[in-house]
Amino acid sequence: QKEVEQNSGPLSVPEGAIASLNCTYSDRGSQSFFWYRQYSGKSPELIMFIYSNGDKEDGRFTAQLNKASQYVSLLIRDSQPSDSATYLCAVNYIPTFGRGTSLIVHP
Amino acid sequence: DTAVSQTPKYLVTQMGNDKSIKCEQNLGHDTMYWYKQDSKKFLKIMFSYNNKELIINETVPNRFSPKSPDKAHLNLHINSLELGDSAVYFCASSQASGTATGELFFGEGSRLTVL
Repeated sequence: QKEVEQNSGPLSVPEGAIASLNCTYSDRGSQSFFWYRQYSGKSPELIMFIYSNGDKEDGRFTAQLNKASQYVSLLIRDSQPSDSATYLCAVNYIPTFGRGTSLIVHP
Repeated sequence: DTAVSQTPKYLVTQMGNDKSIKCEQNLGHDTMYWYKQDSKKFLKIMFSYNNKELIINETVPNRFSPKSPDKAHLNLHINSLELGDSAVYFCASSQASGTATGELFFGEGSRLTVL
């Protein structure tokens, strides 16, 4: 069974801090990795995707992938209260999702 | 103009009833999905269709029957509803061709409550 693991949280960080969200996956052959954000009562929306080992930056967001360790993370710099949401890690082209990490950014 | 639309957004029904949820996408995508999100927010794939053909059928009771009349539509029919079917059902689509990112575009979700 292909599994994607995330700490459910909540992860609480002060405004302006760096939030670090982590995800591990079981399928060593996985090729594509996604981070989605889901606000309460809304549908998930894509924040980042990453295919290659290393870092990928987009504005305040950085995705990091280490295929050898089967680990993918999302860093959010200068966290804002509007970043408070559940962050879902998804793996593979037909995505398997983790259970999500709830992030709370407090003023 | 909504990219992925689902109807209805809310269903409240009694155990044992049959219900359907419709989904349409106007993005021209090849692949459509049904995901179930339970009360703990776990988003689990149920079905995936590519150009009207079923490509993924996860361990889902056969009370759930998807139908794809064309590649822009994927409907979900549920027979003999049970309490455990209460959840939010998300339809999604993606482009399966080589240069696509694989991003899923989700509908707004259909919240099913079985009493």
